[in-house]
Amino acid sequence: NAGVTQTPKFQVLKTGQSMTLQCAQDMNHNSMYWYRQDPGMGLRLIYYSASEGTTDKGEVPNGYNVSRLNKREFSLRLESAAPSQTSVYFCASKSGQALNTEAFFGQGTRLTVV
Amino acid sequence: AQTVTQSQPEMSVQEAETVTLSCTYDTSESDYYLFWYKQPPSRQMILVIRQEAYKQQNATENRFSVNFQKAAKSFSLKISDSQLGDAAMYFCAYRNVNTGNQFYFGTGTSLTVIP
Repeated sequence: NAGVTQTPKFQVLKTGQSMTLQCAQDMNHNSMYWYRQDPGMGLRLIYYSASEGTTDKGEVPNGYNVSRLNKREFSLRLESAAPSQTSVYFCASKSGQALNTEAFFGQGTRLTVV
Repeated sequence: AQTVTQSQPEMSVQEAETVTLSCTYDTSESDYYLFWYKQPPSRQMILVIRQEAYKQQNATENRFSVNFQKAAKSFSLKISDSQLGDAAMYFCAYRNVNTGNQFYFGTGTSLTVIP
């Protein structure tokens, strides 16, 4: 019962380094999301993908890029990491357009940029 | 932009007692869904309960229930017979047809359960 799987779970980067956060879901969901969670700010949407082949910016897209590689996978890339990107990152997926469908979340990636 | 406000950063409750977590939201839409998610120390986000705006009856899931006041744009979560495993961060979330696929989350309430 994998659900949404994120890798890695923890990462420390130096300022200016790049990295890609990986996310995969095995529930055949159309929509996938990347959120960041910061203390006192809740979850903020970075990017989302409504379906394979499409991506859209969320509330805080600057400094990030995404790729919807196929229906299962949605990756988040930091090209040049900055200390302001220190956060916990969550990937989520959802099955359809119906309003009542919930989002399923991965276990998060704690990223520290020093 | 949609806004979801949780005005209680931290709450505590005695084991077996009842606690209510507050959530208000801002919208001009009539059809939308509201959600409460629980995030325990494991970081895993778990859906607790959901409510459709068109339904007047408050949603209930075992010990969890909501008080949905549409006119007041209020969506509070009541946890009855609190258990130690209820200790977590709780997030209120909103979604409507015009936000497309986006969920809007509040800033969260950290709940401590005192034995």
